[in-house]
Amino acid sequence: DTEVTQTPKHLVMGMTNKKSLKCEQHMGHRAMYWYKQKAKKPPELMFVYSYEKLSINESVPSRFSPECPNSSLLNLHLHALQPEDSALYLCASSQLGLGNQPQHFGDGTRLSIL
Amino acid sequence: KNEVEQSPQNLTAQEGEFITINCSYSVGISALHWLQQHPGGGIVSLFMLSSGKKKHGRLIATINIQEKHSSLHITASHPRDSAVYICAVSDRETSGSRLTFGEGTQLTVNP
Repeated sequence: DTEVTQTPKHLVMGMTNKKSLKCEQHMGHRAMYWYKQKAKKPPELMFVYSYEKLSINESVPSRFSPECPNSSLLNLHLHALQPEDSALYLCASSQLGLGNQPQHFGDGTRLSIL
Repeated sequence: KNEVEQSPQNLTAQEGEFITINCSYSVGISALHWLQQHPGGGIVSLFMLSSGKKKHGRLIATINIQEKHSSLHITASHPRDSAVYICAVSDRETSGSRLTFGEGTQLTVNP
């Protein structure tokens, strides 16, 4: 069992749908991350939240909209996605968002866009 | 050239063998991370190193800061060690929370 919980585990959606991915941690971590991972590739950073504020946006298209309602929760709102957005979406957290702290990853949401 | 290079890309071993995965990087780092990813997706952080050597069970990680090189060793390998092993670094000069990942090493341990 991981300490970072992601829901749902699998999601299939059409290009016109709106859906959300959810991530939750109760370790008291103040930095949370969204990554996108394509098959046989390493994760790519999308967003970083530090103390509930967006600190890094890696030029992600606006059809992905992150939200951090509190220090334990991180959402990723999806709208008008493209087939190339099909991937594994990983959430992670770390204590303070410093490079010398380990990141704790969830099991991911496998997203398929029809 | 990638900032983080791993070798080998693929590795097949027999159960019980000693395994070494290598990672070289080209930037100044605040820490180097070894991660494990099983089929199905979840990533587990195995080690975080900024100097020296760490050991956890059958896993050993070493780092040589001067040579910008790290190794992950698995002793007495077992089929359950089959996974992708990813090296990642936190660049000292850029935002500390951004990790730069290697391409990963696919390890298969046969019984």
